Amino acid sequence: GQNIDQPTEMTATEGAIVQINCTYQTSGFNGLFWYQQHAGEAPTFLSYNVLDGLEEKGRFSSFLSRSKGYSYLLLKELQMKDSASYLCAVRDIQAGTALIFGKGTTLSVSS
Amino acid sequence: DGGITQSPKYLFRKEGQNVTLSCEQNLNHDAMYWYRQDPGQGLRLIYYSQIVNDFQKGDIAEGYSVSREKKESFPLTVTSAQKNPTAFYLCASSIGGDGTGELFFGEGSRLTVL
Repeated sequence: GQNIDQPTEMTATEGAIVQINCTYQTSGFNGLFWYQQHAGEAPTFLSYNVLDGLEEKGRFSSFLSRSKGYSYLLLKELQMKDSASYLCAVRDIQAGTALIFGKGTTLSVSS
Repeated sequence: DGGITQSPKYLFRKEGQNVTLSCEQNLNHDAMYWYRQDPGQGLRLIYYSQIVNDFQKGDIAEGYSVSREKKESFPLTVTSAQKNPTAFYLCASSIGGDGTGELFFGEGSRLTVL
């Protein structure tokens, strides 16, 4: 089976940097995804990592270490609109193309 | 515009009734998925389909059924056997194939059992 862990809640202030960690255990790892979800809305895709290293996309970066079963999402220059849930998800060969999601981290950004 | 359409957005059901949630996509994606989300929880996989006329159970398939007769459509039926059906249901699709594509989500259907 799969197990994905991430912190339940985090808080930060505008303009700051925040790192959201995700650890996973899966037998057939085939990629890790980060999604953003505002309350009551659908998740939107942020990033994808399948090889070790850092992927940068504007204010957001995502890192993966397959040997440690570890990823993080880094958000820079935080804005109020970044207040949302951030979902870590892994793709496991046993589940085909489906993603298995963690419970999400709710980030609150204050001024 | 291409996208995924879920309907209805809100649905109320009496206990003991079956209800079908619609999901249509015009992205020409091979794979489609149904997830359930409860308050404070992540998404849990109900069913997925990687190709027409084929689908697989996810982690919480009991009490649900699906069909995939057309590439663009993947309806979900919540049966009376589902013990706690009140939840937010999300449909998604992806290109499929080698599995590198991200999932695109519909706007969701919120089901409340009275």
